[in-house]
Amino acid sequence: GESVGLHLPTLSVQEGDNSIINCAYSNSASDYFIWYKQESGKGPQFIIDIRSNMDKRQGQRVTVLLNKTVKHLSLQIAATQPGDSAVYFCAVPGRGSYKLIFGSGTRLLVRP
Amino acid sequence: ETGVTQTPRHLVMGMTNKKSLKCEQHLGHNAMYWYKQSAKKPLELMFVYSLEERVENNSVPSRFSPECPNSSHLFLHLHTLQPEDSALYLCASSPTNLPYEQYFGPGTRLTVT
Repeated sequence: GESVGLHLPTLSVQEGDNSIINCAYSNSASDYFIWYKQESGKGPQFIIDIRSNMDKRQGQRVTVLLNKTVKHLSLQIAATQPGDSAVYFCAVPGRGSYKLIFGSGTRLLVRP
Repeated sequence: ETGVTQTPRHLVMGMTNKKSLKCEQHLGHNAMYWYKQSAKKPLELMFVYSLEERVENNSVPSRFSPECPNSSHLFLHLHTLQPEDSALYLCASSPTNLPYEQYFGPGTRLTVT
């Protein structure tokens, strides 16, 4: 079945630096990928998505890169701020119309 | 706020108790979801309702019983739970035509003693 894995459980960065959070997926047929952010005491919040016909998509201070050859996804956060401290999950659709398969999450810590 | 509210935010219950979790969404969505989030484990989908009909039931024990009386409300009825059921229970909603654009509530932190 499908699986999603994140490379690092924790990432610590200096405020103002760029952050890169990585994710690997198993199903080469996956055609849609989503990044969520979960702050302490809150539910996951949609950040950005990308379809498999794209290699890159940019949002506000965030960029998602998709490498279908190696089944790898990354989320880049520019000029990381204290408010970016959270757990970040990647997710891919599973079997069925409504199922999302989530990775285990990377906790981003921003040092002042 | 995301437009999805959950009550209560925290719940402590004994193994013989019966309690219910409530979720309400104000987004006009027609699909609603229950997830379980345990420490150091990925989010696990439990149930999905679309247009008030259950469309996904992910091998969840019968001590968890969902109810969707209308497209804005979702309940999770709990009875004779086990300590390993202690977790954060998250509700989400989405449009039925965009099932992967899910909006999550803040969750109910459940502790079973």
